[in-house]
Amino acid sequence: DTGVSQDPRHKITKRGQNVTFRCDPISEHNRLYWYRQTLGQGPEFLTYFQNEAQLEKSRLLSDRFSAERPKGSFSTLEIQRTEQGDSAMYLCASSHPGTDTQYFGPGTRLTVL
Amino acid sequence: AQTVTQSQPEMSVQEAETVTLSCTYDTSESNYYLFWYKQPPSRQMILVIRQEAYKQQNATENRFSVNFQKAAKSFSLKISDSQLGDTAMYFCAGRSGNTGKLIFGQGTTLQVKP
Repeated sequence: DTGVSQDPRHKITKRGQNVTFRCDPISEHNRLYWYRQTLGQGPEFLTYFQNEAQLEKSRLLSDRFSAERPKGSFSTLEIQRTEQGDSAMYLCASSHPGTDTQYFGPGTRLTVL
Repeated sequence: AQTVTQSQPEMSVQEAETVTLSCTYDTSESNYYLFWYKQPPSRQMILVIRQEAYKQQNATENRFSVNFQKAAKSFSLKISDSQLGDTAMYFCAGRSGNTGKLIFGQGTTLQVKP
């Protein structure tokens, strides 16, 4: 069990650029979650998948944000036309069928200049 | 709407002493689950303890225990015999049984002093 992994760990981009983050959940975890965390605050829910189906999306997830989990394994989160307000830590978590314990990855820290 | 509130932004405790972190929640759901997560500096979030809101018995995990007061919608975390490695930000979170998403509080930064 290698844990949830996220790539990249850090991303610096210029305003207006597109960025994509990847999350690899723990093997056999069918649920995958994305959260956003700004400095000194608690994580805010963005979206989650059960297998390849996206079951819920937050209103925080504007049209510039899109998430996919095409084969029910890894997931990608894309932000188009980044804005300075998108600067945050993006956290991914996964959970095993039948349990509600979410295991978090190390996060991707995004800085938009 | 579901809300989780932590009213203590920062706390400190001497090593080996006991500290209690406060959390209140608000939900109309009866099928609700509550969690405490720990986020050490520059490290990933890990689960400390969970509580099913329909159970009266308080959850316990080694030095960590909760005081769950259902009527008051209070879910505090007690850390006994505090250790330097307990220094972290602690988040209280809730989850409705109908959804997978966690709703987090604002967090409490705990400093354990030697």
